[in-house]
Amino acid sequence: EDQVTQSPEALRLQEGESSSLNCSYTVSGLRGLFWYRQDPGKGPEFLFTLYSAGEEKEKERLKATLTKKESFLHITAPKPEDSATYLCAVQAIGYSSASKIIFGSGTRLSIRP
Amino acid sequence: DGGITQSPKYLFRKEGQNVTLSCEQNLNHDAMYWYRQDPGQGLRLIYYSQIVNDFQKGDIAEGYSVSREKKESFPLTVTSAQKNPTAFYLCASSVLPEGRKSNQPQHFGDGTRLSIL
Repeated sequence: EDQVTQSPEALRLQEGESSSLNCSYTVSGLRGLFWYRQDPGKGPEFLFTLYSAGEEKEKERLKATLTKKESFLHITAPKPEDSATYLCAVQAIGYSSASKIIFGSGTRLSIRP
Repeated sequence: DGGITQSPKYLFRKEGQNVTLSCEQNLNHDAMYWYRQDPGQGLRLIYYSQIVNDFQKGDIAEGYSVSREKKESFPLTVTSAQKNPTAFYLCASSVLPEGRKSNQPQHFGDGTRLSIL
């Protein structure tokens, strides 16, 4: 069964304390892996798409990496404004564009000043 | 600016009442989607549409209905048959991927929070 698991559920860091969020996935074939940021009461905001193992993408203090079984979202020297819920989603090969995008339940990241 | 507009931001439903959530996009995307988000759970797909006048059920379509009369609009009706409608509803759109291996991210609106009176 296709599945996406994110860990930890919640993470509290001090400002400047780097860490990583994990997204483990099980799909028959990966079409793409997406990372989103979601602020309270808002819709998810697209961050990155990763397609193949070994691929990396960066944006400001965020770097996403991909292996055959998991993806990491590395946060370097975070600031309080990085506090949000980070969602991972996986799209599997063999399905139509929409029917099989599986979302994880997210990691709530809180950065203390 | 291009984007997805959902309205209203907050909605209250009485017992036995149908309510309709609006979703409009000006991104010229062919595909549109409705998701439901509950605390501690991933987004769950309700309905999606890849072309005008055509739509497909997602994983949790029971108690919901949609229409796609225009490319820009994809309203969702929460019917009285949906016994647990309290949730955060998200509309999204995307370019249709071309080819078996291509992928396209979805872009989301800011959601409608539905509660029961």
